[in-house]
Amino acid sequence: QKEVEQDPGPLSVPEGAIVSLNCTYSNSAFQYFMWYRQYSRKGPELLMYTYSSGNKEDGRFTAQVDKSSKYISLFIRDSQPSDSATYLCAITGGGNKLTFGTGTQLKVEL
Amino acid sequence: EAGVVQSPRYKIIEKKQPVAFWCNPISGHNTLYWYRQNLGQGPELLIRYENEEAVDDSQLPKDRFSAERLKGVDSTLKIQPAELGDSAVYLCASSFGPVGNTEAFFGQGTRLTVV
Repeated sequence: QKEVEQDPGPLSVPEGAIVSLNCTYSNSAFQYFMWYRQYSRKGPELLMYTYSSGNKEDGRFTAQVDKSSKYISLFIRDSQPSDSATYLCAITGGGNKLTFGTGTQLKVEL
Repeated sequence: EAGVVQSPRYKIIEKKQPVAFWCNPISGHNTLYWYRQNLGQGPELLIRYENEEAVDDSQLPKDRFSAERLKGVDSTLKIQPAELGDSAVYLCASSFGPVGNTEAFFGQGTRLTVV
């Protein structure tokens, strides 16, 4: 079993839709939870970061963590074509090792 | 401020040939990472440096891969000889301190194709 499992894509939604991206993890020692966005032929860039269970909102993006279920989510409201990218969840135990999910490719269509 | 710079962006080589990738991290970042990203997969750590010291190279295939970080700044990753299965994007990242407390910044990657 992989340490981090991410829902497979690709995911295609119409512009304006609410998008839900999800990951599960197995190691309860994981403490920090991140979402990276990766455009085609680019490196990943940090989108959201959270530490505790609960929700964290930043504009159209909301990161949700449920430590009891070992489940993390990223919600995108009013999705735009510019949101089309691969979204990677990444988790760390507080050290210097980031463990990534496989990524979900999202396409927002006009 | 310049981000993490990697070169070359693309490389095509024949199998059994050597290849090297170069990374210049963000100034002041003491931690440097090399990741490999296969098509349709997330990045996987190959090696992590704290300054000049390789502190986590457990996932580096040491029979053919080597890396160095001279003077705790730039780093090179080498493959010799390359195999078909090495085709992937090689990403370099850097951070100032432990990720979780700080952000890891990624370069654009080197896309390697082994034919």
